Amino acid sequence: AQKVTQAQTEISVVEKEDVTLDCVYETRDTTYYLFWYKQPPSGELVFLIRRNSFDEQNEISGRYSWNFQKSTSSFNFTITASQVVDSAVYFCALSEGDTGANSKLTFGKGITLSVRP
Amino acid sequence: DTGVSQNPRHKITKRGQNVTFRCDPISEHNRLYWYRQTLGQGPEFLTYFQNEAQLEKSRLLSDRFSAERPKGSFSTLEIQRTEQGDSAMYLCASSLWTRGGELFFGEGSRLTVL
Repeated sequence: AQKVTQAQTEISVVEKEDVTLDCVYETRDTTYYLFWYKQPPSGELVFLIRRNSFDEQNEISGRYSWNFQKSTSSFNFTITASQVVDSAVYFCALSEGDTGANSKLTFGKGITLSVRP
Repeated sequence: DTGVSQNPRHKITKRGQNVTFRCDPISEHNRLYWYRQTLGQGPEFLTYFQNEAQLEKSRLLSDRFSAERPKGSFSTLEIQRTEQGDSAMYLCASSLWTRGGELFFGEGSRLTVL
């Protein structure tokens, strides 16, 4: 069975600090996809990134970066120079198998990030 | 607005009543999903459609829940004989099947069962 663990529940930082959100996953499949979603106070979940199990390259998009390590079953998310607008709940999610055929996502419980001015 | 639209946004009902939620996905998206989210938890998968075909349904979904997508466009989620445990935010999302997992979510329909 697939499982996503986000051990951190709440993180509070001061603006411009860097922050890393941890995600550990469990799956028996060799083919799987990992995701991060953001849920701002307005409530609508927003897709941030998708990563497949065969691509362990780290990815950077502006102030966001993701570190995927199969050896530790982790897919961590770092926000550099955080801003107040980054305040939200962040969810890590997992999808097993060929995503083209199966897009059922299993989400973690989420991490509430508060960025103070 | 070309995003995913859900109605009603909030529904308050008494235990035992039936409720129906509607979701209008992004028009070119052929996949549509229903998730449920309770306070402090991540979204939990309920079911999904590719066009009008319901491809998967969660084992957590009791027989009181039914979803349809009759013409491959909008979808409805009906809950019969509601129970207090059904109180949650019901989220609809859509995607292209070629971009699996990249879900576009609506704002959700909050159900409160008294």
